[in-house]
Amino acid sequence: QSALTQPASVSGSPGQSITISCTGTSSDVGGYNYVSWYQQYPGKAPKLMIYDVSNRPSGVSNRFSGSKSGNTASLTISGLQAEDEADYYCSSYTSSSTWVFGGGTKLTVL
Amino acid sequence: QVQLVESGGGVVQPGGSLRLSCAASGFTFRSYGMHWVRQAPGKGLEWVAFTQYDGSNKYYADSVKGRFTISRDNSKNTLYLQMNSLRAEDTAVFYCAKSNGHNSGGGYFDYWGQGTLVTVSS
Repeated sequence: QSALTQPASVSGSPGQSITISCTGTSSDVGGYNYVSWYQQYPGKAPKLMIYDVSNRPSGVSNRFSGSKSGNTASLTISGLQAEDEADYYCSSYTSSSTWVFGGGTKLTVL
Repeated sequence: QVQLVESGGGVVQPGGSLRLSCAASGFTFRSYGMHWVRQAPGKGLEWVAFTQYDGSNKYYADSVKGRFTISRDNSKNTLYLQMNSLRAEDTAVFYCAKSNGHNSGGGYFDYWGQGTLVTVSS
């Protein structure tokens, strides 16, 4: 049950686009279309942003999008806004009938 | 609206036990799987355990297997986590989270509680 690999930090200026990667194995990310992404502000509970690789829950801005290629999933945020500054975590279902998270990525809006 | 409210956290000595509860409302609790997820201070999220909608199937992270037990009481709309043989490294905020589905085989965490802090220290 090794954690998925995410960059520790990414940054971008308002209006720009950024992409956060999430790398796993064929036993998790690569084996299932069950990748999800969560946004977390300091001291708050995580919030679902993307599910099943590329689907957005109702109420989540269409500036957030997800994709997957092989064992790597990606979260892209376009038109970066100050309110997007937060920690982001990916998660995947695994072949062991468990779930695994990435180590988290701190997004800084410059 | 969906509400998940955790309770039962606190300070416990190494080797001790604690039971967390998660009171659910705003949805048909008995129809959905439920998870526990934890976050150590300043660290990332770690999935802990999952119970199927009817409690018949349960899955655990290797780090807690044999020490933690997830259970649910569908008549009380409540999820539990019994934690035994606690270690310093179990210190974390514990969140309960609702699954979008009723059993394992995929799924994601669509609603989260506010969390309850467990501190294991002598």
